[in-house]
Amino acid sequence: GAGVSQSPSNKVTEKGKDVELRCDPISGHTALYWYRQSLGQGLEFLIYFQGNSAPDKSGLPSDRFSAERTGGSVSTLTIQRTQQEDSAVYLCASTTPPGLASLPNTGELFFGEGSRLTVL
Amino acid sequence: GENVEQHPSTLSVQEGDSAVIKCTYSDSASNYFPWYKQELGKRPQLIIDIRSNVGEKKDQRIAVTLNKTAKHFSLHITETQPEDSAVYFCAASEGGTYKYIFGTGTRLKVLA
Repeated sequence: GAGVSQSPSNKVTEKGKDVELRCDPISGHTALYWYRQSLGQGLEFLIYFQGNSAPDKSGLPSDRFSAERTGGSVSTLTIQRTQQEDSAVYLCASTTPPGLASLPNTGELFFGEGSRLTVL
Repeated sequence: GENVEQHPSTLSVQEGDSAVIKCTYSDSASNYFPWYKQELGKRPQLIIDIRSNVGEKKDQRIAVTLNKTAKHFSLHITETQPEDSAVYFCAASEGGTYKYIFGTGTRLKVLA
């Protein structure tokens, strides 16, 4: 597709259930990010994948959160045993950092529409 | 790691006036500073960015200034219009990488 695609757009779950959120980045983008945006709050960094390098997981808030990126493309963010405080919009973004591609680019992040998670 | 602080959290201006949003960062190795605009219910989008080898950059009614010594950068919007109403986020790259840390956002309201 032309842009970053995320699914589901909305997810309502019960406390204690596991959820999976999917991100399909722009084709060819080597870097993929997950951010969390709680109601009226900023963009909290969760995890960053760059090419084949080990991901930077320093923003994951607890060991209930994990993410993977298969084949350098699609990424899945998994939240186990969800809690009410996990309720937020989870935003995915992708880019190709400057200097790492033959095409000119600025490192601009292209965001998806987000997945709104509500934990009851 | 990088820490980005952003002020003010909310800002109301009269249409036609200027608006200034300020950010500070902690990592002296940061070298890229983008600004994103998020309209209500929409995804954040890049509006302007600046690299550490430049002190100022302007694009029509918006400009960004960077003071590396003080580790702060600012967004300036002149001749504000109602469509400028949105949440604005600053960001800084951590340690010269492309891991972006965002500020907490500024909700700008332009009053007609």
